[in-house]
Amino acid sequence: NAGVTQTPKFQVLKTGQSMTLQCAQDMNHNSMYWYRQDPGMGLRLIYYSASEGTTDKGEVPNGYNVSRLNKREFSLRLESAAPSQTSVYFCASSEPTEAFFGQGTRLTVV
Amino acid sequence: EDKVVQSPLSLVVHEGDTVTLNCSYEVTNFRSLLWYKQEKKAPTFLFMLTSSGIEKKSGRLSSILDKKELFSILNITATQTGDSAVYLCAKETSGSRLTFGEGTQLTVNP
Repeated sequence: NAGVTQTPKFQVLKTGQSMTLQCAQDMNHNSMYWYRQDPGMGLRLIYYSASEGTTDKGEVPNGYNVSRLNKREFSLRLESAAPSQTSVYFCASSEPTEAFFGQGTRLTVV
Repeated sequence: EDKVVQSPLSLVVHEGDTVTLNCSYEVTNFRSLLWYKQEKKAPTFLFMLTSSGIEKKSGRLSSILDKKELFSILNITATQTGDSAVYLCAKETSGSRLTFGEGTQLTVNP
């Protein structure tokens, strides 16, 4: 099925470890996003990419890096994980009419 | 700063009740207002609103936008237990950037 594919679904990291969350969409969308969702705080934008080759910071970019590898893929990297980065992460891609979300990654940093 | 404020943050009703969820936003670079329903996983799209005063309907759900007063409402009539979810409102700005509110947690009891 067409949509946004996000991996992994679950991950446990130790403080200081690094990891990359992968996201791919097959809808030929220009815009892609990474959000984190925490209880009582809604979805907060970490980074977004309006088109291939461009990335911009969102509300909460500290501690993260992103890479828009091509039009399909937008990855999120945690270089040195911290417990404050324990969250559910969603990737999304959009066209002017709506945004499609991946199924989320539940990340726990211990 | 883009800000989207939803109210109430949580709501508990009985089946058959009608509910109204509110979303207010800041006018800066506004393109559209979107509503999403989030159950256990990723948000799913409900409505996109761009014009004032034009109601959008889908079954028992409807939504309308007031661009003068900078708010939108989502109505659900004859609620069912399956309507229990977090309802998210998002403002779209230029560049297809989405800013989400905190969400309204709706619980519908039998």
